[in-house]
Amino acid sequence: GDSVTQMEGPVTLSEEAFLTINCTYTATGYPSLFWYVQYPGEGLQLLLKATKADDKGSNKGFEATYRKETTSFHLEKGSVQVSDSAVYFCALSDTGNQFYFGTGTSLTVIP
Amino acid sequence: GAVVSQHPSWVICKSGTSVKIECRSLDFQATTMFWYRQFPKQSLMLMATSNEGSKATYEQGVEKDKFLINHASLTLSTLTVTSAHPEDSSFYICSARTGGSMRNEQFFGPGTRLTVL
Repeated sequence: GDSVTQMEGPVTLSEEAFLTINCTYTATGYPSLFWYVQYPGEGLQLLLKATKADDKGSNKGFEATYRKETTSFHLEKGSVQVSDSAVYFCALSDTGNQFYFGTGTSLTVIP
Repeated sequence: GAVVSQHPSWVICKSGTSVKIECRSLDFQATTMFWYRQFPKQSLMLMATSNEGSKATYEQGVEKDKFLINHASLTLSTLTVTSAHPEDSSFYICSARTGGSMRNEQFFGPGTRLTVL
């Protein structure tokens, strides 16, 4: 079945460091891929998405490219800020009916 | 656009009482709504899927008599936790899906934190 494997955390970085959170997926069809962010005590917010191979999603300095050949959707940011501290979830959806989430990666950015 | 609200945002109740959580799509019609549960420091677990006007479909292991879901309109779904117990304490998140070009995306509510004493 469909699934998402996400890099385990927690991740701690200094401000302005480069961030990569790995995400790989398994899917039978051609899913859409998502990154969601969850700030403490809040629900999920869509960070970025990509709907087909080679698409690049980007938002707030974060980027992820849909790589069909490596079945990956790694999240990157060139220079993280303290305000980026949150939990990040990779997810896929084939039809919109079923979302498969990774286990989440906690990021802490220290000044 | 595509905003989903939940009410209440947090609730504390006594063991044995029932709690209702509302999920509303504010600016679109949600053909399907989903209810998730999230335990501390864990990912989201899908509890059930509901389509407007029909019975909800529950995931394996979720007690439908305990977690009553009603999707009475295209903008409102409710989750009622009946006879709540401390082990039901959790963060409950709803999401909604519309049709058309956005049909592969779910829009998430801010979540409701339930604490059962």
